[in-house]
Amino acid sequence: DAGVTQSPTHLIKTRGQQVTLRCSPKSGHDTVSWYQQALGQGPQFIFQYYEEEERQRGNFPDRFSGHQFPNYSSELNVNALLLGDSALYLCASSLYIGTDSNQPQHFGDGTRLSIL
Amino acid sequence: DQQVKQNSPSLSVQEGRISILNCDYTNSMFDYFLWYKKYPAEGPTFLISISSIKDKNEDGRFTVFLNKSAKHLSLHIVPSQPGDSAVYFCAASAGGNNAGKSTFGDGTTLTVKP
Repeated sequence: DAGVTQSPTHLIKTRGQQVTLRCSPKSGHDTVSWYQQALGQGPQFIFQYYEEEERQRGNFPDRFSGHQFPNYSSELNVNALLLGDSALYLCASSLYIGTDSNQPQHFGDGTRLSIL
Repeated sequence: DQQVKQNSPSLSVQEGRISILNCDYTNSMFDYFLWYKKYPAEGPTFLISISSIKDKNEDGRFTVFLNKSAKHLSLHIVPSQPGDSAVYFCAASAGGNNAGKSTFGDGTTLTVKP
């Protein structure tokens, strides 16, 4: 049973560039959420995708955008990269069960993004 | 404004003793609370959860207690084992339109000494 997989594992970019991170959810899951984890902090919610639409969004600028494909996989795009975007980006998947919040998420091992 | 706080960045306990990790929250709309464990170079792994309608949930060596009036929850690990050494994150979520959006604390690093 494949868990959440993310690619690439590490990435180095320079300021002003654009980056795309990828995520495949756990088998049987249809909802994907993205989190940013800065060093020494907890994960911060970026947004969540279900049925190929953004359903929830955290306090992140429009430079952060995403997409979900019909096979439930997802991409996170960040434009005009800033030094402060350096972080671990985590993808988490779950099965959508309506407005019931009672479910844990399954996380991938993350993509470490470094901005020079 | 951090809605979920873990005030102890680190905790060290002896093998076999109890580990108690604490978490405070400010948002009264939170109705579901989770603990995740994270090893280096791995993503967080779900450990245990509790709904706001309960005050205790137990799973083997792990017990989570919820005090809604104090907006406080704690994770007890008994007995602690060296393999429990990891970063523990407290997370909370609300239902309705915010379902699925988890708010995390900054984590507590637990070290269990043999």
